[in-house]
Amino acid sequence: AQTVTQSQPEMSVQEAETVTLSCTYDTSENNYYLFWYKQPPSRQMILVIRQEAYKQQNATENRFSVNFQKAAKSFSLKISDSQLGDTAMYFCAFRYTDKLIFGTGTRLQVFP
Amino acid sequence: GAVVSQHPSRVICKSGTSVKIECRSLDFQATTMFWYRQFPKKSLMLMATSNEGSKATYEQGVEKDKFLINHASLTLSTLTVTSAHPEDSSFYICSARDTAHGQFLSNQPQHFGDGTRLSIL
Repeated sequence: AQTVTQSQPEMSVQEAETVTLSCTYDTSENNYYLFWYKQPPSRQMILVIRQEAYKQQNATENRFSVNFQKAAKSFSLKISDSQLGDTAMYFCAFRYTDKLIFGTGTRLQVFP
Repeated sequence: GAVVSQHPSRVICKSGTSVKIECRSLDFQATTMFWYRQFPKKSLMLMATSNEGSKATYEQGVEKDKFLINHASLTLSTLTVTSAHPEDSSFYICSARDTAHGQFLSNQPQHFGDGTRLSIL
């Protein structure tokens, strides 16, 4: 069975600084997808970034980038130039078939 | 972009009431939709997979008679919490993926509704 682990329940970072959120997963599959979702206080789930397992190149979306280490089954999210609006819960998610399996989440607080 | 509309956003009702939550894909077709439940400060837990024109697939531990799912069209799935009790109070979120791009191993992400906060008194 696939599992997703986020070992950091809470993180904080000062505005304009960089922060990295960790995620590891366990699977025996070779082709799958990984996602980071953001859930602000409004509770809406917002897709931040996604990575196809067959791609070696790390995905990047503006200030957000991932460090995907397939052999280590690691998928960390780096947020550069943190902004106050980045304050939210961040969920790492794994998808093989149609189901999304979520990690337990990391609460990120950005301080001015 | 793909939009999923979920209604209502907030429900407060008495114990014993049945509550229906709707999930609509507004600009795409979704043969499969998903229903999640989220407890305060917790992750999303998949309750069931809603399949258009057929029975939903429930995750282990989810009572199918308590949480009725109907997916009668390619753009609408409903979740009915039957005879709701205070322990059913939670945040319920649906999601859908554009199936025009295929079912499996497509890089199309799931699009989420804004959720429904259900409070049973």
